[in-house]
Amino acid sequence: GQSLEQPSEVTAVEGAIVQINCTYQTSGFYGLSWYQQHDGGAPTFLSYNALDGLEETGRFSSFLSRSDSYGYLLLQELQMKDSASYFCAVSSSGGYNKLIFGAGTRLAVHP
Amino acid sequence: GAVVSQHPSWVICKSGTSVKIECRSLDFQATTMFWYRQFPKQSLMLMATSNEGSKATYEQGVEKDKFLINHASLTLSTLTVTSAHPEDSSFYICSAKTSGPYNEQFFGPGTRLTVL
Repeated sequence: GQSLEQPSEVTAVEGAIVQINCTYQTSGFYGLSWYQQHDGGAPTFLSYNALDGLEETGRFSSFLSRSDSYGYLLLQELQMKDSASYFCAVSSSGGYNKLIFGAGTRLAVHP
Repeated sequence: GAVVSQHPSWVICKSGTSVKIECRSLDFQATTMFWYRQFPKQSLMLMATSNEGSKATYEQGVEKDKFLINHASLTLSTLTVTSAHPEDSSFYICSAKTSGPYNEQFFGPGTRLTVL
């Protein structure tokens, strides 16, 4: 089977740094993706890690440790518009690289 | 980034009717499309994987006769919810992926289905 665990909620203030962790158990693994979803909206792609290490894209960074089956999303210089749900997703082995999503972390950014 | 559209964006129907949802890749050819269902404040649950010109692959627990998927071309996949019931009310989201090793999926805006 496959499972992903991430915190259900995180609260932070504007300008702060937040780290959202994700641990996974899968029968096959290609990589770990992160998606952002605002209420009522579609998920938008943030980052993808296939190899160990840190990937940085502007204010967002993502880290992967394949040996620990662990990754995290780091959000810096938080803004109010970053309030959203964040999902980690594992690309499993198989023909079409389908994504299996975690339950999501609801981030609330306060002034 | 690539654009994926869905139509309709929302639909309300009576119990027992069928509803068709379209998913289109607007500026790229999607060899693979995925259909997800999302209940309020919950995660995206993969329903099926759709490949152009072949039968869809359904996830365990998803009734293929109830959720009919047709991937007629490289830019269009449709999901038909047959004989819809109130428990089918949900947010249905499609995504599209091009060929190649990189796994970025481009998501449509979703369709909110309410069955009365």
